Amino acid sequence: GAGVSQSPSNKVTEKGKDVELRCDPISGHTALYWYRQRLGQGLEFLIYFQGNSAPDKSGLPSDRFSAERTGESVSTLTIQRTQQEDSAVYLCASSPPLEKLFFGSGTQLSVL
Amino acid sequence: SQQGEEDPQALSIQEGENATMNCSYKTSINNLQWYRQNSGRGLVHLILIRSNEREKHSGRLRVTLDTSKKSSSLLITASRAADTASYFCATDAGGAQKLVFGQGTRLTINP
Repeated sequence: GAGVSQSPSNKVTEKGKDVELRCDPISGHTALYWYRQRLGQGLEFLIYFQGNSAPDKSGLPSDRFSAERTGESVSTLTIQRTQQEDSAVYLCASSPPLEKLFFGSGTQLSVL
Repeated sequence: SQQGEEDPQALSIQEGENATMNCSYKTSINNLQWYRQNSGRGLVHLILIRSNEREKHSGRLRVTLDTSKKSSSLLITASRAADTASYFCATDAGGAQKLVFGQGTRLTINP
């Protein structure tokens, strides 16, 4: 596709359930990022993938959060046992190394 | 902690005026980037300025970088209502390749 694609666009879940968010980056982009943005706040770094290097997981807030990326393609962010504080927009971005990021439209996660 | 911090947090000006937003960061960088966000969803890249550059222009946008003060500014000239958005700076933290964003400046242009 022409841009970064995220799915679903919106996700409503019950507290305690697991959710999986998907990101399809731009083809050829070796870098992929996940960020979390709470309402009215800035972007909180979660995890960064660069090629075949070990991912930088330093931003994951707890062990309930995990992410995977298959080669230089699709990535999934999984949140286990969701809590109300997990409600936010989850943004994915991809880029060539050290260049500008291209963002997806995000997934709005609401935990009831 | 955040690598980049924008100032002010919110700015409201009249259409036609110039808007200036500032960003400070803590560690050495390879480049600094500015992004715009409308409606709380995906961000759009505005300008990338490298650590060996001091000033860069793109249309009505002007970005400066002072590595000695670890700060950058974004100037929007002749503002328009459509410029209303949140503006974020992003830096590679301490030379690491990951990009870390600040809290943003919410800019409102009043007609």
